[in-house]
Amino acid sequence: NAGVTQTPKFQVLKTGQSMTLQCAQDMNHNSMYWYRQDPGMGLRLIYYSASEGTTDKGEVPNGYNVSRLNKREFSLRLESAAPSQTSVYFCASQWGGALEHEQYFGPGTRLTVT
Amino acid sequence: AQSVTQLGSHVSVSEGALVLLRCNYSSSVPPYLFWYVQYPNQGLQLLLKYTTGATLVKGINGFEAEFKKSETSFHLTKPSAHMSDAAEYFCAVSGGSNYKLTFGKGTLLTVNP
Repeated sequence: NAGVTQTPKFQVLKTGQSMTLQCAQDMNHNSMYWYRQDPGMGLRLIYYSASEGTTDKGEVPNGYNVSRLNKREFSLRLESAAPSQTSVYFCASQWGGALEHEQYFGPGTRLTVT
Repeated sequence: AQSVTQLGSHVSVSEGALVLLRCNYSSSVPPYLFWYVQYPNQGLQLLLKYTTGATLVKGINGFEAEFKKSETSFHLTKPSAHMSDAAEYFCAVSGGSNYKLTFGKGTLLTVNP
C-alpha cells in the first residue's frame, strides 16, 4: 500500500497563478483533510471531506477550493496564488471519521509563491 | 471548542537523557489525544494515542504518555534519548467537533551527542 500520496512535491508559482495540489489514498478511508504548516504555527486545517460528496471549511479556507473527486482523491486548488500561501501543504486521511482513529499523512507539497 | 498548548517550542537534551515534552489541552467533551512525530522533510506519523481505558499509553520507539484528566495534560516521555529521536513533535486533540483534529504548535527536539 502506498498510503497517502501527494503531487507535486515542490512547486514555485508567481503571484496570481493557479494550481491544483493532488492527493490520493489507497486505504479505503472515508475522511480526507488538507492542512498547511507554517513555522511556529503547527498544522492548520484548510478544508476537509467527511465522506465522498461532502466538503467543509476548516480554520483557514480563504483563497482555496477543494474537490472530493471520488473516495480516493481529494484535491486542493489555489485560484490566484498569493505570497501568504507560501507553505507546506499536507493531505491526510482517516478511517470512518471516527474521532478516536488517527489520521494518516502524505509527504507534503512545498509551495513557494513569489 | 478545543485547544492544545505545547510548552516549549524547542527542547534540547543530551543523548541518554530523559525526554519530556509537555502538552496541555482544553476540551468541553472527553478528549481523544494524540502525539505525532515529524522527521525533517517528511509528513507526520502517529507515535501514540489515548482514547479510553488505561491512562498510561505506550507508543513506538520507546515513547509513552500519561493522560491526567485533573491536570488536563498529556505529556510525552522517553527514558533515554537517541540521536534518531531528533524531530518535531505535535500534540493533538479531537472530540469537540466531528472529524477534526486540533494541533499544538509543535516542539522541536534536539538531541546532543
